[in-house]
Amino acid sequence: EVQLLESGGGLVQPGGSLRLSCAASEFTFSTYAMSWVRQAPGKGLEWVSSIGTSGIGTYYTDSVKGRFTISRDNSKNTLFLQMNSLRGDDTAVYYCARQYCTSTSCYLYFDYWGQGTLVTVSS
Amino acid sequence: QSVLTQPPSVSGAPGQRVTISCTASISNNGAVYDVHWYQQLPGKAPKLLIYGDTNRPSGVPDRFSGSKSGTSASLAITGLQAEDEADYYCQSYDSNLSGPVFGGGTKLTVL
Repeated sequence: EVQLLESGGGLVQPGGSLRLSCAASEFTFSTYAMSWVRQAPGKGLEWVSSIGTSGIGTYYTDSVKGRFTISRDNSKNTLFLQMNSLRGDDTAVYYCARQYCTSTSCYLYFDYWGQGTLVTVSS
Repeated sequence: QSVLTQPPSVSGAPGQRVTISCTASISNNGAVYDVHWYQQLPGKAPKLLIYGDTNRPSGVPDRFSGSKSGTSASLAITGLQAEDEADYYCQSYDSNLSGPVFGGGTKLTVL
């Protein structure tokens, strides 16, 4: 069974930084594009960032461009999200999600999700 | 404002059929992209329910079905059960965002 386990969330002051991790197991991590999706308390889902299989292609929603950096370590089956200059509206549960991929293409939907890690930005 | 519009809530009695709509706004350049659906049970992570407009991943009951016509997609749930009470999200592609976009979500209440 595919497993995605996020960690690194917590309480941080506005302007601070956090690094989220997502440990993947039970699938060949290096052959799947990965994403982060967040959900503010009581709100809907919002895509944050995606990364291609090799880590070369990275994509961000406008509100986090220049502040967040997505990366991956395929040797350690781990996805990361470095979050800097955090703001109150970044408060959310952050989910790691696997994009569906075949042997030739990856698609923009998510077939497996982690349980999420809560990030709270507050003074 | 999301390019995908869903009703905030729907409800139905056990055994009934309900549908949840997802309408793409014209701000998505009028293009029609694949629509996918997720179920989020209370306090849980989302789960893929329908992909590519109409396809069910293995393990998803055939009570759940997806359809699309033009810029509108729908999720239908037949034989409604108490365990179906959850939030449902549609998701597609936003050409302005150059990334995935979710609808605002629909809360399904089983009466």
